[in-house]
Amino acid sequence: NAGVMQNPRHLVRRRGQEARLRCSPMKGHSHVYWYRQLPEEGLKFMVYLQKENIIDESGMPKERFSAEFPKEGPSILRIQQVVRGDSAAYFCASSPTGQISNEQFFGPGTRLTVL
Amino acid sequence: GENVEQHPSTLSVQEGDSAVIKCTYSDSASNYFPWYKQELGKRPQLIIDIRSNVGEKKDQRIAVTLNKTAKHFSLHITETQPEDSAVYFCAARRDGSGSRLTFGEGTQLTVNP
Repeated sequence: NAGVMQNPRHLVRRRGQEARLRCSPMKGHSHVYWYRQLPEEGLKFMVYLQKENIIDESGMPKERFSAEFPKEGPSILRIQQVVRGDSAAYFCASSPTGQISNEQFFGPGTRLTVL
Repeated sequence: GENVEQHPSTLSVQEGDSAVIKCTYSDSASNYFPWYKQELGKRPQLIIDIRSNVGEKKDQRIAVTLNKTAKHFSLHITETQPEDSAVYFCAARRDGSGSRLTFGEGTQLTVNP
């Protein structure tokens, strides 16, 4: 069973460009979470999604950021018109369907650098 | 919302010594408390977790204690080894698989040979 997959692992963008980060959860997991980690800081919650639904986006910046988890394919975190302050590691995590397991399994992260 | 504070931010110990990292949380409804280890440039990995219906949990050299009344929990690593060097994060969340983790700011643990 492959773990949580994220791509790309590293992404370089110039200010004003768009960044698209992808996350494929573990097989059998229908809950996806995105977290952002600024250099030498902790992980901050951004958004929680289930298939075709955004459940909690209270951690998402109000502008330029959006997320989706379509019926088919990976979850996508999209950042429009990137600025230098968006440079960070973006981690996706997934957890199993139902309420039996609390554990969130993290992907390897995408390290976004904005020039 | 939940707020998690973690201390110390850096901890340096000699190989073989014990290390203790402490966290406090603000939301009395939180009832799941995981600890993650993150090596440089790697993903956070769960090392131990505890639910609010128990006060202590052990797994070999690692233990976690929870004081619900005081709203704090601690990670204890005994007989530390150089490979324990990493950043450790505590986190808290409410029950159920569908809610966010709120993380502490992390503790950089260095184990000196």
